[in-house]
Amino acid sequence: EPEVTQTPSHQVTQMGQEVILRCVPISNHLYFYWYRQILGQKVEFLVSFYNNEISEKSEIFDDQFSVERPDGSNFTLKIRSTKLEDSAMYFCASVGGAPQETQYFGPGTRLLVL
Amino acid sequence: AQSVTQLGSHVSVSEGALVLLRCNYSSSVPPYLFWYVQYPNQGLQLLLKYTSAATLVKGINGFEAEFKKSETSFHLTKPSAHMSDAAEYFCAVSKSYNTDKLIFGTGTRLQVFP
Repeated sequence: EPEVTQTPSHQVTQMGQEVILRCVPISNHLYFYWYRQILGQKVEFLVSFYNNEISEKSEIFDDQFSVERPDGSNFTLKIRSTKLEDSAMYFCASVGGAPQETQYFGPGTRLLVL
Repeated sequence: AQSVTQLGSHVSVSEGALVLLRCNYSSSVPPYLFWYVQYPNQGLQLLLKYTSAATLVKGINGFEAEFKKSETSFHLTKPSAHMSDAAEYFCAVSKSYNTDKLIFGTGTRLQVFP
């Protein structure tokens, strides 16, 4: 069964550093998403991406965040200058858009900002 | 605006007992409702979804949920718990069944005792 993959599984970084979280969506999918889950809190929507542009973003997704689909297979989330409060599990999701489909989630990247 | 509330952050049952995980929603438009499960160190996996075709929805692993508009509820049930059901369960709401963002509840951790 096809699956969404994410790398790395864990990342530790210093406050103020840039991080790039990578996702490989399912190959024929057209819509891509990033969600995050701060420890002990709910899963929150960050951004959706379709047709090579952001289709919707939450208020969490400020100027420190950016997304990119650099090569037609990867989908990345960049945090330019990490803050302590960016520590969370980040999930990538994708969907093809056909009526019977729903979003498929990756296993997540656990980011720890020190 | 849409939101979901999951009552009970932890639920414990004995193996073979009924599982009932509660979810109430708020939505200004007809909602699409989902239950996802997260096993340790894994991503979110879709259990079932409500898309207005039928109020009683059957999902994987013997789970089902009933959409009750009058109660704005979408509770998840399973007649007989199995040890392998121990996981975190998330209720979510969306404006569509595939491409719109998912809005999650805070999750319920299910423990199953022998």
